[in-house]
Amino acid sequence: DTEVTQTPKHLVMGMTNKKSLKCEQHMGHRAMYWYKQKAKKPPELMFVYSYEKLSINESVPSRFSPECPNSSLLNLHLHALQPEDSALYLCASSQDRTSGNNEQFFGPGTRLTVL
Amino acid sequence: SQQGEEDPQALSIQEGENATMNCSYKTSINNLQWYRQNSGRGLVHLILIRSNEREKHSGRLRVTLDTSKKSSSLLITASRAADTASYFCATDPNTGNQFYFGTGTSLTVIP
Repeated sequence: DTEVTQTPKHLVMGMTNKKSLKCEQHMGHRAMYWYKQKAKKPPELMFVYSYEKLSINESVPSRFSPECPNSSLLNLHLHALQPEDSALYLCASSQDRTSGNNEQFFGPGTRLTVL
Repeated sequence: SQQGEEDPQALSIQEGENATMNCSYKTSINNLQWYRQNSGRGLVHLILIRSNEREKHSGRLRVTLDTSKKSSSLLITASRAADTASYFCATDPNTGNQFYFGTGTSLTVIP
């Protein structure tokens, strides 16, 4: 299984809502990533988990809260978002952060709209 | 920002022609990777070239890397309409803690 799955595919939420994005992989990868991508822009790294521990937080606002319950799952909890947070949220995984062959496998993304 | 730059930003060619896109980056790297993204979808890994390699081939793809100039190029030969997508380079710097995507090239292949 070489697939990264993400749910939901689309999400519309108000600024006062609390929602979660989910990501799952069964490739035995030990590094997992959250990216945010605005239209016609490259993905921007948000968080990196390595061996289920948060290793990188790219100064992301606290209204985004990542969680890695186990080595296969990665969540992104959303609370009190702003309309400018509307974007495609991509999850990715790779073998680990230190291997020389850290090809990243991406999920299809969650299209988030904040009203 | 350590984000790489790609050029051209957009490229439109006829089916069967070759497409070349370039990537320049700022730091020393472990490897450089190329990804493709169809509109609004996830990214697909195309090819990885290590810092000690100069050229790599995969099917219709040819990637070159010049670490002295901090640049890479991706050549797609005999392009097809299905190659229409955005192409991003991504660098894995020696710090090992970041993974930077370039600005991307939007390729349109006209049937």
